[in-house]
Amino acid sequence: EAGVTQSPTHLIKTRGQQATLRCSPISGHTSVYWYQQALGLGLQFLLWYDEGEERNRGNFPPRFSGRQFPNYSSELNVNALELEDSALYLCASHLGQGDETQYFGPGTRLLVL
Amino acid sequence: GENVEQHPSTLSVQEGDSAVIKCTYSDSASNYFPWYKQELGKGPQLIIDIRSNVGEKKDQRIAVTLNKTAKHFSLHITETQPEDSAVYFCAVYSYNQGGKLIFGQGTELSVKP
Repeated sequence: EAGVTQSPTHLIKTRGQQATLRCSPISGHTSVYWYQQALGLGLQFLLWYDEGEERNRGNFPPRFSGRQFPNYSSELNVNALELEDSALYLCASHLGQGDETQYFGPGTRLLVL
Repeated sequence: GENVEQHPSTLSVQEGDSAVIKCTYSDSASNYFPWYKQELGKGPQLIIDIRSNVGEKKDQRIAVTLNKTAKHFSLHITETQPEDSAVYFCAVYSYNQGGKLIFGQGTELSVKP
């Protein structure tokens, strides 16, 4: 069974551009969480999608947005990139409501120059 | 809201020794407590978890203990090996904040051969 996949593995952008990150959850999982792991700041919750709906949002500005597709894959968009957006962006796959266990993908390393 | 404190931030042990990492949390309603291991350049890997109806759980050399009254839980690694070297994160699932994992700050474990 395939695990959580994320693409691209690395992404380099310049300030003001937009970045799009993608995640495919474990087969059978309907829920996806997104986290930001900036250097020295641990893992911060960004967004939670379940059954195509946004269920919860972390303390991040509106330029961080996303969506979940009918096949349960998800996309994270970051608009108007700032230098401090440089981080590892992690996607976690979740079976769905009623289960708390989350399995992480390898992450996308975003560098904003 | 839920707050998770993790100690120590760094831990160095000799191969074969035991390692203990402790986390405290603030929300008494929390009832799911996972531990993740993150190796350099990789996403966090779930290594063990515990729910509030259980006081201790073991999986080979790894164990987690939970004290709900004191609101703390600990990761115990026995007979440490160099491949145990990594950053370990505790987490607490917060229902009161809309459903999300809140992570500790991480412990960098170094096992010296």
